[in-house]
Amino acid sequence: DGGITQSPKYLFRKEGQNVTLSCEQNLNHDAMYWYRQDPGQGLRLIYYSQIVNDFQKGDIAEGYSVSREKKESFPLTVTSAQKNPTAFYLCASSMGVAYSNQPQHFGDGTRLSIL
Amino acid sequence: AQSVTQLDSQVPVFEEAPVELRCNYSSSVSVYLFWYVQYPNQGLQLLLKYLSGSTLVKGINGFEAEFNKSQTSFHLRKPSVHISDTAEYFCAVSRRQGAQKLVFGQGTRLTINP
Repeated sequence: DGGITQSPKYLFRKEGQNVTLSCEQNLNHDAMYWYRQDPGQGLRLIYYSQIVNDFQKGDIAEGYSVSREKKESFPLTVTSAQKNPTAFYLCASSMGVAYSNQPQHFGDGTRLSIL
Repeated sequence: AQSVTQLDSQVPVFEEAPVELRCNYSSSVSVYLFWYVQYPNQGLQLLLKYLSGSTLVKGINGFEAEFNKSQTSFHLRKPSVHISDTAEYFCAVSRRQGAQKLVFGQGTRLTINP
């Protein structure tokens, strides 16, 4: 079945440590996204990528970095500069700019906590 | 810029009762509108979307929503809810042109009581 796989499901970070969240899709989608979810705040866009080797900052990019070396993969690194990283992180994908009326598909998320 | 307001953070209803979850949006450009559902510790699943045409759209699990352009609203309804509908519901909009950057509301937690 086609879909989006996020790993790990749970992740713990020590102070001053960078951690990387994995996101892989086999939907052949051009565009991929990372969102952060906090209780009572909905989802906020961190980064997005419309094509391989290109990505743009979303609304809350500070303290995060991404790469898009392959169409299927869009890993997110939470750096030590992100002072409040505890949240639920969701990865999504969509067909791309030419299909903006098509919905985004979501993975099952990674819950990041601080030790 | 776009913004979305979900007017109720929590909605408790009894099983088999009707429910309406309210969503208002603001945008200077034309948008597409979406409702997503999230079950505990899972990702988001699309319930329905409004692209154009008929203002009443039907989705999965018996849900429907009505687009009202003059009131900039997109309320979600179900005539009879089940225990399995207990979840968090998100309204979202995206611009019709360019990158599909979804803007979400804060979410409404729907709790169904027996």
